[in-house]
This record gives sequence, structure tokens and C-alpha cells, in this order.
Amino acid sequence: AQSVAQPEDQVNVAEGNPLTVKCTYSVSGNPYLFWYVQYPNRGLQFLLKYITGDNLVKGSYGFEAEFNKSQTSFHLKKPSALVSDSALYFCAVRAYSGNTPLVFGKGTRLSVIA
Amino acid sequence: DSGVTQTPKHLITATGQRVTLRCSPRSGDLSVYWYQQSLDQGLQFLIQYYNGEERAKGNILERFSAQQFPDLHSELNLSSLELGDSALYFCASSLRTSDYTFGSGTRLTVV
Repeated sequence: AQSVAQPEDQVNVAEGNPLTVKCTYSVSGNPYLFWYVQYPNRGLQFLLKYITGDNLVKGSYGFEAEFNKSQTSFHLKKPSALVSDSALYFCAVRAYSGNTPLVFGKGTRLSVIA
Repeated sequence: DSGVTQTPKHLITATGQRVTLRCSPRSGDLSVYWYQQSLDQGLQFLIQYYNGEERAKGNILERFSAQQFPDLHSELNLSSLELGDSALYFCASSLRTSDYTFGSGTRLTVV
């Protein structure tokens, strides 16, 4: 079965500092990996995805994530955090093949402090 | 606007009642997925439809049912509602398995 772990419920970072939101996954075979962001009272917004190819994926709003197959991780990063990045971040995975749904982690709340 | 439309945005109803949530997928997308987001459970996959047929089932209660119509819109029916059913219900659509677009959700409050 597929699963995603986001080990931190909350991440606090000062504005201007780099941020990392951690994600590890478990899936049979190759994965599709996603990051979504949810602002208060809003839906899920797509940030970036890894399908195949370059392990470093660049996405919206200056975010990037690195796929590490040996560590089964897909951590979200940003070189310089903004207060406006404060939101709930979800990592999700699905298997490359077969009819399996997108499975989400429990989310990590990012708080960027001015 | 993501292209996925969910109605209503908010719904308040009493325990024991039945409600229907509606989702119109992005133009051209054939798959519709329903998710439930509650505070303690995170985002839970409920059910998937592809071009009118049920494709995958997750942690969906027997009191819940869904269908996808010929015009590809989908409805999620929740019956005999309990306080614990209060949650944000998301619909997503996709054409390919690497491309999911989410609606803004329906917030259901059961009182």
C-alpha cells in the first residue's frame, strides 16, 4: 500500500531564511510525487511534481523539491522564506503504474515569522 | 479558478440528514476523485470515477455514495449524517494520472 509521512506537524522559520518541509513515501515501483499548498479557507493549490527525469524539481513561487530514491524522500525547499508562504503543505504520492489513488500525508503547517 | 467547480461552498445540516455535494471537473478531464479533509485524519481518499464508472474505492463509509454522470459531473451523497462527518470535502479531476486539479471544496458542518 502507498503511504506518505510528513514527520513535522509544524515548521517555524524566520523570513529570509531557507525552509525545508520533509516528506518520505512508500510505494510499490516508481512513484509520482506531488506537493500541494493550502491557504486558510482555500482549496489545494499545486506546487510541483516529480514524474521522471531530473531529481531536482522546480515549481511555483520559488519552491523546489529533490527526489531521493534511496532515501524515499521528496523534501520541499525554498532558499528564502516569505511571510506569505505561511500555509499548510501536503505531500502526496501515487504509484507510476496501476490504478491507485493519490495518497496524501497529514500535512505540515509552515509558519514564517517576520 | 482551478477549473474544478464544487457546490455548495458551505453546508450546515442536522444529524441524521442527507446532503449531496456536486463537482464539475475541469474541461476534458475524465476522472473525478473525492477526498475528505478532517482535522484529525488529514486528506482521506474516498472514491474515484472514470468516465462514469467507479475505478477505485478508499475509506468511504457505507452511508456515503457517489456517481458520475454522462456529462462527467459527479455527486457525493452523504446520508444519516453524524457530527463526525463534519469536514471539508474536496473533488479533484484529471485526464492523466500525473495531473490532478482540485476544487475549492465544500465545507460541511453537521450540528
